[in-house]
Amino acid sequence: GQQLNQSPQSMFIQEGEDVSMNCTSSSIFNTWLWYKQDPGEGPVLLIALYKAGELTSNGRLTAQFGITRKDSFLNISASIPSDVGIYFCAGQLAGAGSYQLTFGKGTKLSVIP
Amino acid sequence: DGGITQSPKYLFRKEGQNVTLSCEQNLNHDAMYWYRQDPGQGLRLIYYSQIVNDFQKGDIAEGYSVSREKKESFPLTVTSAQKNPTAFYLCASRHLGGYTEAFFGQGTRLTVV
Repeated sequence: GQQLNQSPQSMFIQEGEDVSMNCTSSSIFNTWLWYKQDPGEGPVLLIALYKAGELTSNGRLTAQFGITRKDSFLNISASIPSDVGIYFCAGQLAGAGSYQLTFGKGTKLSVIP
Repeated sequence: DGGITQSPKYLFRKEGQNVTLSCEQNLNHDAMYWYRQDPGQGLRLIYYSQIVNDFQKGDIAEGYSVSREKKESFPLTVTSAQKNPTAFYLCASRHLGGYTEAFFGQGTRLTVV
């Protein structure tokens, strides 16, 4: 199946630092979603993006839908210990009848107090 | 409360036995999905259903079966044909049409003993 390249695979940062992660693909997407997963739990939706160039914020989180429609990034500002977890990007391919979501492999974030 | 519920949270199975994982949603979502999550592998699609009494294979359907007799329910059976069934299983649902997010259940951890 289609793959999303998500990077970095893992990050260790100091509390208070900003974080950036991204997803890229060779295909065009019409939806980008960003999720956070805590250990042993299901992913929780953070931000949804539906339009090329769209920049959306949710508290300390900001995500953008790339203008080429092949990439997206997520920024976390002023990280705190509860930001620890795995962050996933997901995209829906452009095209009629395409209702599957393709997921990246995740970015594991560790925050050092 | 509206949401998507998976049960049980933890499941142990003996080799050679079939086991069924439950997924129920009261969000009136059209589509439901089953994903398998292994460490470092992200989320891989097993099966999905866009309408009652219809479902499609995902990327790793071998050894699994599903049914969609009701809009609210999409149970997954892990059969004895699945060679490596120990994993974390996630169910998701979403509306179809337009641009919509997917919401996840809390997951079921299946261990074969």
